[in-house]
Amino acid sequence: AQSVTQLDSQVPVFEEAPVELRCNYSSSVSVYLFWYVQYPNQGLQLLLKYLSGSTLVKGINGFEAEFNKSQTSFHLRKPSVHISDTAEYFCAVIPNTGFQKLVFGTGTRLLVSP
Amino acid sequence: EAGVAQSPRYKIIEKRQSVAFWCNPISGHATLYWYQQILGQGPKLLIQFQNNGVVDDSQLPKDRFSAERLKGVDSTLKIQPAKLEDSAVYLCASSSTGQGWTNTEAFFGQGTRLTVV
Repeated sequence: AQSVTQLDSQVPVFEEAPVELRCNYSSSVSVYLFWYVQYPNQGLQLLLKYLSGSTLVKGINGFEAEFNKSQTSFHLRKPSVHISDTAEYFCAVIPNTGFQKLVFGTGTRLLVSP
Repeated sequence: EAGVAQSPRYKIIEKRQSVAFWCNPISGHATLYWYQQILGQGPKLLIQFQNNGVVDDSQLPKDRFSAERLKGVDSTLKIQPAKLEDSAVYLCASSSTGQGWTNTEAFFGQGTRLTVV
């Protein structure tokens, strides 16, 4: 079975500062990795995903994430955040073989203040 | 392209009452998912349909939860009777194929926020 750990439940940051949201996973098989964003009272929206190839993945809204297999991590980064980035961010994994059940982490709330 | 539609957006019921949620996926999407998102937790898959057949319902509390997807389009999720711990946001998602997380993309609705008092 797969599991995802997002150690930071909340990350406060000032506008235009860089941010990193941490994600670690556990799996006995190879996985695909995802980051989703959830704005208040909205559904989940895909930010980016890693399936194969380059370990640095670029997504929407200026976000990027780096897959590190040895550290089983998939941290999300943005060099300069905006107020509008305030949202809940979920890391998720899925095995790359067999039935595709997406497993989410508990989420990290990013709070951007002026 | 219209997104995934869910209704109602909010529902408050007393424990032991019944409640039903409705989901209309994106037109043509064969795969439909229901997720439960409890406050402070990540979404958890309750049930996955491929057309009108159930692919996975291993985490659905079948003693009180039921779901159907007649004609392979709209879906309803029912809770009967509701418990306090069922308070959560119920998210519906759809994708064009069963490999919606990798080969294509799955799209989420805005969710139904259920409060059981």
